[in-house]
Parts: sequence; structure tokens; C-alpha cells
Amino acid sequence: QSALTQPASVSGSPGQSITISCTGTGSDVGGYNYVSWYQQHPGKAPKLLIYDVSNRPSGVSNRFSGSKSGNTASLAISGLQVEDEADYYCNSYTSSMTVVFGGGTKLTVL
Amino acid sequence: EVQLVESGGDLVQPGGSLRLSCAASGFTFSTYWMHWVRQAPGKGLVWVSRISNDGSITTYADAVRGRFTISRDNAENTLYLQMNSLRAEDTAVYYCSRGVGGRGPDYWGQGILVTVSS
Repeated sequence: QSALTQPASVSGSPGQSITISCTGTGSDVGGYNYVSWYQQHPGKAPKLLIYDVSNRPSGVSNRFSGSKSGNTASLAISGLQVEDEADYYCNSYTSSMTVVFGGGTKLTVL
Repeated sequence: EVQLVESGGDLVQPGGSLRLSCAASGFTFSTYWMHWVRQAPGKGLVWVSRISNDGSITTYADAVRGRFTISRDNAENTLYLQMNSLRAEDTAVYYCSRGVGGRGPDYWGQGILVTVSS
């Protein structure tokens, strides 16, 4: 059950766009359309941003979008805002009927 | 409004046991899978376990399999995590969260701290 691979950090300026990658294997990310993305601010519980690769829950800004190609999923954030500064995690269902998270990516909005 | 409220966190000695509870409200508890996810201080999210809506299917992360047991009481709308043979590396905030089938969690509780230390 190895964690999915995410970059440790990304950064961008207000108004810019960034992408966070999440790489797994054919037994998790590549094998199922059950990839989710979460935003976590310090001291807070995670918040669901994207589910089933590219779907946004009601109330989540359309500045957040998800996609997948092969064993790699991606979260894109457009029109960066100061409040987007947080930790971001991907998550996937696996062939072992378990769930695995990525190691997390710290987004800094400069 | 979906609410998940964890309780039972404490300071426990290595080798000890603890049972976490999660009281659910605002949704039909018996129709959802449920998860436990933990986060060690300053570290990332780590999935621990999940249970099917009727309790018939349970799965665990390798790090806790054989030591932790997930269960639920649908009549009481409560999720549990029995943790035995606790180790220092189990120290974390434990989150209760709701799931749907193979999807990851959608709603999360506020988390409860478990500290394993002598």
C-alpha cells in the first residue's frame, strides 16, 4: 500500500493557474475512476474538492478541476487566490479494496 | 446538515488499547460506507480502515491490520474503531469520514487526538 506520489510543494501568484499531479499504478489511479482531491487548511479537517476524477461537489468553486491520464491524476486550480494556500491530497480506490492517499502537496500563493 | 463527531481520544501507553467512536447525524447512516483516516503531527493523511454500509465488509491498511477493528451500530448511528497493541507511531489525529462505495470520503469529522506515549 504505497502512497500515491505528489510533488511536495507548488507555488503560484494570485490570478495564475497551477496543476498538482498524483501518480499511482494500474492497481489504483489507473485502474479505477475513483480519484478524489482534498484541500486542508492548518488545523482543519480536509474538504472534498473533486470526486470520481473530475466531478465537483455542490458549492466547490469551478476554479478547481480534475482529470486523469493513465496512472496519473491531476488537480488544476485557476485564478489562484490567497485563500487557496493550503495542503492538497489526492486519494484513490485500489484493487485490494482499500483506499490510498497521496503524500500531500503544499500550495503557496506568493 | 451532515455531522460526524469523534470521541474517545486519549493519552495511552504503548501496548495499550483505546476505542474511538464517531456519532453521525444529518444523513441516513445505514446507507453509507464509513472510513477512518489518520494524520500524524505535521504529516499527511493516511487511510486506516473502511466498513460497508451493513458492516459485512471491512478492509484495513497494512499498518493496522490485526491490531485495529472497525465496526458500526446502525441502530445508534455510530462508527467505532477498536485499537489494540498501540504503538508510538499510531499517535495521530483520527478522522471519521463518510464514503460511497469505491469513492474516497466526502464529509469528515473534526478529528480526535490519540497519543501513544509512556
